[in-house]
Amino acid sequence: AQSVTQLGSHVSVSEGALVLLRCNYSSSVPPYLFWYVQYPNQGLQLLLKYTTGATLVKGINGFEAEFKKSETSFHLTKPSAHMSDAAEYFCAVRHNTDKLIFGTGTRLQVFP
Amino acid sequence: GAGVSQSPRYKVAKRGQDVALRCDPISGHVSLFWYQQALGQGPEFLTYFQNEAQLDKSGLPSDRFFAERPEGSVSTLKIQRTQQEDSAVYLCASSLDVGLAGGYEQYFGPGTRLTVT
Repeated sequence: AQSVTQLGSHVSVSEGALVLLRCNYSSSVPPYLFWYVQYPNQGLQLLLKYTTGATLVKGINGFEAEFKKSETSFHLTKPSAHMSDAAEYFCAVRHNTDKLIFGTGTRLQVFP
Repeated sequence: GAGVSQSPRYKVAKRGQDVALRCDPISGHVSLFWYQQALGQGPEFLTYFQNEAQLDKSGLPSDRFFAERPEGSVSTLKIQRTQQEDSAVYLCASSLDVGLAGGYEQYFGPGTRLTVT
């Protein structure tokens, strides 16, 4: 069975600092992994996804994530935080029946 | 182009009332998913349609929950005899296809926030 663990329900960074949001997964099959962002009162927007191929995946808004099979991780990073990055971030793994299994989310706060 | 739309955006129901939540997927999208997002939690899968066929309803929490997509486009999630624990945001997502051949990405609507009093 697939599952996702997001370490840290809240992360706070200063504007311009590195953003690191952690995600570990459990999957009995090669995983398809996703990061979504959710702004208040809005739906989820896809930031990036890993299916096959290159393990370093670049997404929108300057975010990227690296798939590390040996560590069963898919951490999300951004070199320099912007105030507009403040939101809730969800890591997800695709179940073999195509539904997404989400983590509990990490709320990112960015301070000036 | 137009994204996934959901209506109503907000719904307040008294305990015991029936509610119906509507989802308009992106035109041409074959797959449609419903998720439930409780406060402070990640979305949890409820049910999945491929065209008009409901292929997976394993996430529906009880027989009070019913979903349909009769013409393979618009979908309705119905909750009968609502209870307080049904309070949540209900998210709808659509996908062009399933599997890698379709590029697989679920596009989410803004959600319907249901409050049961």
